[in-house]
Amino acid sequence: ETGVTQTPRHLVMGMTNKKSLKCEQHLGHNAMYWYKQSAKKPLELMFVYSLEERVENNSVPSRFSPECPNSSHLFLHLHTLQPEDSALYLCASSQDGIKGLNYGYTFGSGTRLTVV
Amino acid sequence: GENVEQHPSTLSVQEGDSAVIKCTYSDSASNYFPWYKQELGKRPQLIIDIRSNVGEKKDQRIAVTLNKTAKHFSLHITETQPEDSAVYFCAASRPQTLGGSYIPTFGRGTSLIVHP
Repeated sequence: ETGVTQTPRHLVMGMTNKKSLKCEQHLGHNAMYWYKQSAKKPLELMFVYSLEERVENNSVPSRFSPECPNSSHLFLHLHTLQPEDSALYLCASSQDGIKGLNYGYTFGSGTRLTVV
Repeated sequence: GENVEQHPSTLSVQEGDSAVIKCTYSDSASNYFPWYKQELGKRPQLIIDIRSNVGEKKDQRIAVTLNKTAKHFSLHITETQPEDSAVYFCAASRPQTLGGSYIPTFGRGTSLIVHP
C-alpha cells in the first residue's frame, strides 16, 4: 500500500441503495481529494478538503456527499446513483501550502463502482 | 481556468526506442507540473515533476522539459521497456487560494504501449 488506503476495492450497488466509500491516509498530509475516473475522460475533481475547508466542483450531483471527520479520513456517501455514475473513484492526498509550494498527489488504489 | 492539452492519446513504440509525450497549458501562472503513470488496474503514481524555475529534470530513464514561454512541457522516456506500458497523465497547477490547496488540471492521458 502507498499510505492511502481505499475501501472497498469493488462495489456493485443498485440505484436505490445507499453506500459509502472510505479513504484513509497515513502520510500526515493536510489535503484530501475525491476524483472520478471514467473511460476516455480526464480525471474529474469532485471534492477537496484542505486545512479543514471544503471545496467542491459545482457540477457534481448532490447524490454524492463527502465527509471529512479529520485530516486522515475521507468518506464519499452515495445515494440514488445512476448507471452513468459507474466509474473508478480515486482518493488522493497531498501536503500543500507549505512555503507556498505545491506538491504531487499520492493516490489510493480506487474503488471500482458499478451501478446497476 | 487552466486548460491542459495532452498528445498523443496513444503511442506505440518498440522496446528500446524513446517515447515523448507533450502537454500544453494555458495559464501562465501555473508553476508546478507533475507527471503520473497509471498501469492497468492500478492507481496513478507520481513519477516525476518539475517547477517553473527549472527547464529540465531527469531521473534515470525519464526526463521532463519545460518551456515557459511556449507554455508546454514534455515527458521523455528513453530505452523503453515493456513495463513502461501504461497511461501517462500530465498536470499543471498554480498557487491558488482554494482552501490553501493547489488543484491541478490534468491532461486526458496518453496510453503508451511498448512492444517487446
